[in-house]
Amino acid sequence: EAGVVQSPRYKIIEKKQPVAFWCNPISGHNTLYWYLQNLGQGPELLIRYENEEAVDDSQLPKDRFSAERLKGVDSTLKIQPAELGDSAVYLCASSGGTGRGYEQYFGPGTRLTVT
Amino acid sequence: QKEVEQNSGPLSVPEGAIASLNCTYSDRGSQSFFWYRQYSGKSPELIMFIYSNGDKEDGRFTAQLNKASQYVSLLIRDSQPSDSATYLCAVKGFGSNFGNEKLTFGTGTRLTIIP
Repeated sequence: EAGVVQSPRYKIIEKKQPVAFWCNPISGHNTLYWYLQNLGQGPELLIRYENEEAVDDSQLPKDRFSAERLKGVDSTLKIQPAELGDSAVYLCASSGGTGRGYEQYFGPGTRLTVT
Repeated sequence: QKEVEQNSGPLSVPEGAIASLNCTYSDRGSQSFFWYRQYSGKSPELIMFIYSNGDKEDGRFTAQLNKASQYVSLLIRDSQPSDSATYLCAVKGFGSNFGNEKLTFGTGTRLTIIP
């Protein structure tokens, strides 16, 4: 079974530029998560989707971050404009459902460097 | 008080010995507990999950949960150099409400197995 796929794996951009990350979850997984991980820290949730619906975006900085999951499968996370503090690893995860008994599986992540 | 606390380490254990990793959490309503392993430069990999008080064994790994003490631990028997990684403890609430579905991570414990 293929795992969570993310692209690109690495991205270097100058501040104020836009950037987008793409995620394809495990087949059949309706729940998709975007996390941010800073060096030496655990992942922090940015947004959770149930199919096409963003059911928890309380941690997403909406002034510059946006996300979409139009057909309930692939998802894109965008930052515009990027700031130096956005340098981090952006992780996508998916699960087969919510509640007890459903574990989250992570993709390889996108390492963003903003210069 | 942090929601999920781990000793950041580094924890050094001789090869073949038992590595013991500990985690405490603040929310008594937490219901699901996970251990992820993260190699340097890689994404978190789920290795254990536990939902009920007591022990859960899977190969060389044993997860232990004590909800009364709000404590969860991971034991690694017969430690191998390949076990050297950062181990992240993650906690989730109850049910599928958006707030309770959030996976909260500790900062991780860096484990080094000494040959």
